[in-house]
Amino acid sequence: QSVLTQPPSVSAAPGQKVTISCSGGMSNIGNHYVSWYQHLPGAPPKLLVYENNKRPSGIPDRFSGSKSDTSATLAITGLQTGDEADYYCATWDNTLSIGAFGGGTKVTVL
Amino acid sequence: EVQLVESGGGLMQPGGSLRLSCVVSGFTVSANHMTWVRQAPGKGLEWVSVFFATGYTYYAESVKGRFTISKDNSNNTIYLRMENLRAEDTAIYYCARYGSKWYDAYDVWGQGTLVTVSS
Repeated sequence: QSVLTQPPSVSAAPGQKVTISCSGGMSNIGNHYVSWYQHLPGAPPKLLVYENNKRPSGIPDRFSGSKSDTSATLAITGLQTGDEADYYCATWDNTLSIGAFGGGTKVTVL
Repeated sequence: EVQLVESGGGLMQPGGSLRLSCVVSGFTVSANHMTWVRQAPGKGLEWVSVFFATGYTYYAESVKGRFTISKDNSNNTIYLRMENLRAEDTAIYYCARYGSKWYDAYDVWGQGTLVTVSS
């Protein structure tokens, strides 16, 4: 059971927008940066967003992150079939002294 | 080129031991924080352990006392020693660089190595 809570799944039609929430507490999201990952079958996770809302080089601006208090959100706009994947939030937890990943959210393009 | 290459996975019996390796190129493990993350079949990503550049190490509760993370700076390699293996340790194990380039982010990942624990 992760300290970060994500919805199991979200879906939308091509071209539409989805948002994925990541809920935690003061010991994790409240005091640390949040990062987001895309995980496709057979490949390692890929960093999409770091430090709450920044994108590494090569990540399209269709992916955006935000954080407020003890929650974070990943938004994907202009949804494409290639965006079908599992998405994870991650941060550090001060109290437990562990890294933490959310349970993951499966994005389905209808 | 920055690259992480894991090895050492395989089929193990419950109670057995195994050592995973992660050979790093393109940066030095001595100056970076390195982690192991795993994914069990049909499950999500699970953080396993971290070796901070300061020398501090931390473990998930599920592996504490059974797994040991270590570094060999001369070979630029990190290891995960796994003992008293259980069926629930079956997973793909990834090594990743953590928090060195960007705070709290895993920016470089290996391809993973599969560990199967079964009798």
